[in-house]
Amino acid sequence: KAGVTQTPRYLIKTRGQQVTLSCSPISGHRSVSWYQQTPGQGLQFLFEYFSETQRNKGNFPGRFSGRQFSNSRSEMNVSTLELGDSALYLCASSEVRDTEAFFGQGTRLTVV
Amino acid sequence: AQKVTQAQTEISVVEKEDVTLDCVYETRDTTYYLFWYKQPPSGELVFLIRRNSFDEQNEISGRYSWNFQKSTSSFNFTITASQVVDSAVYFCALSERGNAGNMLTFGGGTRLMVKP
Repeated sequence: KAGVTQTPRYLIKTRGQQVTLSCSPISGHRSVSWYQQTPGQGLQFLFEYFSETQRNKGNFPGRFSGRQFSNSRSEMNVSTLELGDSALYLCASSEVRDTEAFFGQGTRLTVV
Repeated sequence: AQKVTQAQTEISVVEKEDVTLDCVYETRDTTYYLFWYKQPPSGELVFLIRRNSFDEQNEISGRYSWNFQKSTSSFNFTITASQVVDSAVYFCALSERGNAGNMLTFGGGTRLMVKP
């Protein structure tokens, strides 16, 4: 079974731009969650999608948004990038709720 | 609100030593789930274990063992006879049943360095 796939692996963007990150979950998994990892704040939950609906949302500004498609693939979008958005963005997929989450290798975003 | 604390930010041991990584959690939910993940330099979080709040049995998997104590809100992780390949950042995480779905609250992580 293929694991969680995130694309791209690395991105460099300029302040003010927007960016879209993609995540393909493990086949059969309907829950996709996104996390931001920074040296200062650690791992923080962004949001979770299940069957194309946002089920949970973390404490992030509205510039961070996401969506999930009917095939469970998910995208997250960050608009008006700020330097502080530089981070490793991790996607996780789960079969159902409260089960183990399997993570992708992440997308490392650098905002300059 | 839920919280996970990993007081040890960095631990350095010599190969073959035993090492314990501490995890203390806070939650008001009576049903919750605890996890440990390993993050090697590649960045991917690797799932190690999941434990629900009603199962306080300790678990052993090869050189890894976990000690869950509800009385002290702790879920500690021990690596026996550590190896260089165990070098990584280890995260403890909590998920509350009261949340609508899957939402992990992570501790700050413990960086383990195993020297040959």
